Amino acid sequence: SAVISQKPSRDICQRGTSLTIQCQVDSQVTMMFWYRQQPGQSLTLIATANQGSEATYESGFVIDKFPISRPNLTFSTLTVSNMSPEDSSIYLCSVEERPGGFYGYTFGSGTRLTVV
Amino acid sequence: GEDVEQSLFLSVREGDSSVINCTYTDSSSTYLYWYKQEPGAGLQLLTYIFSNMDMKQDQRLTVLLNKKDKHLSLRIADTQTGDSAIYFCAENPPGTYKYIFGTGTRLKVLA
Repeated sequence: SAVISQKPSRDICQRGTSLTIQCQVDSQVTMMFWYRQQPGQSLTLIATANQGSEATYESGFVIDKFPISRPNLTFSTLTVSNMSPEDSSIYLCSVEERPGGFYGYTFGSGTRLTVV
Repeated sequence: GEDVEQSLFLSVREGDSSVINCTYTDSSSTYLYWYKQEPGAGLQLLTYIFSNMDMKQDQRLTVLLNKKDKHLSLRIADTQTGDSAIYFCAENPPGTYKYIFGTGTRLKVLA
């Protein structure tokens, strides 16, 4: 399966600042996904990033707050802008894999963000 | 609604079997998944089951699917301390790439 590297693995940030999270995949993938996992909760899809087009955001998430780049088929970034303590979460990058026709997601190890 | 439900906690003794349950929402979901999240880590795909199957066994893992009741379970035989983690079930409703994750079950294995 694909190997996903996420950076940084964790960060503590001041409110009002922005953080950019990087996601690098070791193979070319069409779709990359960004999830948020708030403390003690399940995963929520933020947006889908396709190369060469604007990201598609889920309800409750907007581009101004979570701008996403997808410059090529192996890389994406998610920026958390103008952070507040409510943005403290784990942010996970994911790709869909279809080995032999099976559809499954592989996840990066996540970025644990704490906003103070 | 869109809630995939799981019990929050499960505690078992090392060597016993663990059964983690999940109730999903869409009876036409094609694939159903179990993911494991160890402390400080991302999600690892453990196993999956195709909707036309009732059971799937993979070494110590057994997945049971009851489509009528929209109930999915994961049985871990001979549970080890390394199995301590949060387990998420997930469904993929047809016509969408979006996965809906359950709330997660925190499994604690007592030595």
